[in-house]
Amino acid sequence: KQEVTQIPAALSVPEGENLVLNCSFTDSAIYNLQWFRQDPGKGLTSLLLIQSSQREQTSGRLNASLDKSSGRSTLYIAASQPGDSATYLCAGRDDKIIFGKGTRLHILP
Amino acid sequence: DAMVIQNPRYQVTQFGKPVTLSCSQTLNHNVMYWYQQKSSQAPKLLFHYYDKDFNNEADTPDNFQSRRPNTSFCFLDIRSPGLGDAAMYLCATSEGPGVPYEQYFGPGTRLTVT
Repeated sequence: KQEVTQIPAALSVPEGENLVLNCSFTDSAIYNLQWFRQDPGKGLTSLLLIQSSQREQTSGRLNASLDKSSGRSTLYIAASQPGDSATYLCAGRDDKIIFGKGTRLHILP
Repeated sequence: DAMVIQNPRYQVTQFGKPVTLSCSQTLNHNVMYWYQQKSSQAPKLLFHYYDKDFNNEADTPDNFQSRRPNTSFCFLDIRSPGLGDAAMYLCATSEGPGVPYEQYFGPGTRLTVT
């Protein structure tokens, strides 16, 4: 059974710093790995989706990588801004989407 | 813009009083999903419709039901809400079931049970 873990549960970083969020999954036979952003009390916004055949995806200041062999994905955020403060969830996809609990990110002005 | 819409965004109901949450989509997708997300927890799939075919997750309580009268709309009915049902309810759609179809999420409905 697929399990997705995100550590740490919360992270505070000064504005302007680059940062990495981590996601690990137990079953390497995933079809894709997706990163979402969730603002407090709001729904999910898809950020990046990496297919199993891909190693990484980039969108603006965001870069997501996928290493199936080690069961890990990372989300890299460059030059962080206060507006990046949110919860970031990763989700692994086999026949269903399995979500992690998320990392609550706070960018300090 | 094509999108997934959820109404209302915030819903307050009393303990034991039936409540219905609504989801609509303009994407013309075949599959619609309902997730429950409790505070600081991962979203949990309750059930999904593939066209008119209803698929319930094994651990979804009987208290939760769903209806899909047409392609565009899907409803979540909670027959007798308990305090433990207070959560964010997320609707999602996809063009087809399973891989490789991406799921698109609505803004969610936050349910409070008093």
